[in-house]
Amino acid sequence: AQSVTQPDIHITVSEGASLELRCNYSYGATPYLFWYVQSPGQGLQLLLKYFSGDTLVQGIKGFEAEFKRSQSSFNLRKPSVHWSDAAEYFCAVGARDAGGTSYGKLTFGQGTILTVHP
Amino acid sequence: DGGITQSPKYLFRKEGQNVTLSCEQNLNHDAMYWYRQDPGQGLRLIYYSQIVNDFQKGDIAEGYSVSREKKESFPLTVTSAQKNPTAFYLCASSTGTSGSSDTQYFGPGTRLTVL
Repeated sequence: AQSVTQPDIHITVSEGASLELRCNYSYGATPYLFWYVQSPGQGLQLLLKYFSGDTLVQGIKGFEAEFKRSQSSFNLRKPSVHWSDAAEYFCAVGARDAGGTSYGKLTFGQGTILTVHP
Repeated sequence: DGGITQSPKYLFRKEGQNVTLSCEQNLNHDAMYWYRQDPGQGLRLIYYSQIVNDFQKGDIAEGYSVSREKKESFPLTVTSAQKNPTAFYLCASSTGTSGSSDTQYFGPGTRLTVL
């Protein structure tokens, strides 16, 4: 069974500083990987996803993530954080069936809360 | 606008009562999902359905029931057998198309509080 670990429960950065949120996964084959963001009391918004190909993935709002198979990681980065980025961020891994097709059963990490200081 | 709607936004229930949470999507997606979110625990899958009239249990299905009679609707009933139902419930949908990459899109959620 797959699993996801987000080692940092809470991260605080200053506005304009760079950001890296860590995500480590466990899965027996090549995973599907996602980053979602959630504002308080809201649903989840997709930031970016990795299915195959280029291991550096660009997303919305200036975020990017890099898939590193050797480290089983999919860390999320942003070069300059804005106050509006304060939210909770979730990494998720999706399963593939025997034919390599994804079928939507996602396993989520526990989330990382991002606080941005002015 | 295409999207996923959940109602109500807030729901209060007395102990021993069943309640039904609504989830509707107009994205023409085949697959739909229900998750439960508790602080510090991420999202946990309750039930999912990949096609009308079919659904499977997720990781925490005990005390919950679902139906999928229409493609666009996937209601979740929280029964009195669910010991700790107070949580934030999220519905999601995806194309579920075989042979393609699949991405889940989420509704705004329903916060259920048991009084």
